[in-house]
Amino acid sequence: DSGVTQTPKHLITATGQRVTLRCSPRSGDLSVYWYQQSLDQGLQFLIHYYNGEERAKGNILERFSAQQFPDLHSELNLSSLELGDSALYFCASSVNSGDQETQYFGPGTRLLVL
Amino acid sequence: AQSVTQLGSHVSVSEGALVLLRCNYSSSVPPYLFWYVQYPNQGLQLLLKYTSAATLVKGINGFEAEFKKSETSFHLTKPSAHMSDAAEYFCAVRLNAGNMLTFGGGTRLMVKP
Repeated sequence: DSGVTQTPKHLITATGQRVTLRCSPRSGDLSVYWYQQSLDQGLQFLIHYYNGEERAKGNILERFSAQQFPDLHSELNLSSLELGDSALYFCASSVNSGDQETQYFGPGTRLLVL
Repeated sequence: AQSVTQLGSHVSVSEGALVLLRCNYSSSVPPYLFWYVQYPNQGLQLLLKYTSAATLVKGINGFEAEFKKSETSFHLTKPSAHMSDAAEYFCAVRLNAGNMLTFGGGTRLMVKP
């Protein structure tokens, strides 16, 4: 158990819908990263938040957005869903401790868009 | 920009045999390198990491990896495979603290009895 929690574990929805994925980082971790794992694209970085502020964006679609709240949990919002958005979405957290920084991953949310 | 290549999307070994999973990276600056393991229907678990200290890094479950700058490689090895090692293994690179991880395509390890 990494200490990072993600809810829900599974999500089935229809095209055009909107969903929210939630991530609670390990206690004391200020950074949250979101990644998408799909069969065709592999593991890709989406976005990074540090202590409530957006720090970096990767291959994140405009239909997707995220935020980190004052209690440091984060939410990833996916809207106008398409079949191709079906994937496993991971969040990871870290303390940003310099060279020794390690990202610890949650169990993921598996999204199926029908 | 950094990138990671894992040679062999599938590797099959017999129980008790040597495990060798290959990872090559490209990076404009000295990187930080990681190996993660993903068991079926689970998240990513850190196996080991290289952060510019010793070039031979020991991790959990008997795995180790050696950073070779001249070969831009960070191959993962284990002397004797167990059935429980069957999983997907990902090599990842990070440029600096606070930066995202760039992952290789993953290698699925199968262990035959």
